[in-house]
Amino acid sequence: EPEVTQTPSHQVTQMGQEVILRCVPISNHLYFYWYRQILGQKVEFLVSFYNNEISEKSEIFDDQFSVERPDGSNFTLKIRSTKLEDSAMYFCASRGETYNEQFFGPGTRLTVL
Amino acid sequence: SQQGEEDPQALSIQEGENATMNCSYKTSINNLQWYRQNSGRGLVHLILIRSNEREKHSGRLRVTLDTSKKSSSLLITASRAADTASYFCATDGTNAGKSTFGDGTTLTVKP
Repeated sequence: EPEVTQTPSHQVTQMGQEVILRCVPISNHLYFYWYRQILGQKVEFLVSFYNNEISEKSEIFDDQFSVERPDGSNFTLKIRSTKLEDSAMYFCASRGETYNEQFFGPGTRLTVL
Repeated sequence: SQQGEEDPQALSIQEGENATMNCSYKTSINNLQWYRQNSGRGLVHLILIRSNEREKHSGRLRVTLDTSKKSSSLLITASRAADTASYFCATDGTNAGKSTFGDGTTLTVKP
């Protein structure tokens, strides 16, 4: 069964460093998303991406964040200069059509020291 | 802004019993989805119910949606210890299909 994959599963970085989180959405899906979940809290929307551009972003998704779909399969989230409060689980998701099921990847746990 | 809010926050039951979790939201939706999350793990999609549907079944899961009350419920019948997890509802609005998650219900099923 097709699934969303994410790498790495765990990333440890120093404050101020850049990180790139990678996702491979389900191959025929058109809509892509990043969410994050701070430990013990709910899942928060970061950004949605469709037709090679950002469709919507939350207030969390500031200038330190960027997304890219560099080729036909990968979807990346870059955090330019990490802060301690960026420590969270980051989930990538994709869906085929706007109002169909949204499938999540297993997440990348980002720890900023 | 629309928001899914689950209750109860925590639920503890014995194996074999039924578990019911509720979700309320504030604005109009297109879909509502339920997800399961084991501790520290990813989100597993359980079921999607559309705004024009009232009830949906999948195995031991039964989901209802009442758009007039802006609420949904997830019933897990004949619960098992393996059902122990957090359960989240997520509402899909009209903008780019993003989902808005609630705080979740933590279910513990005792063997």
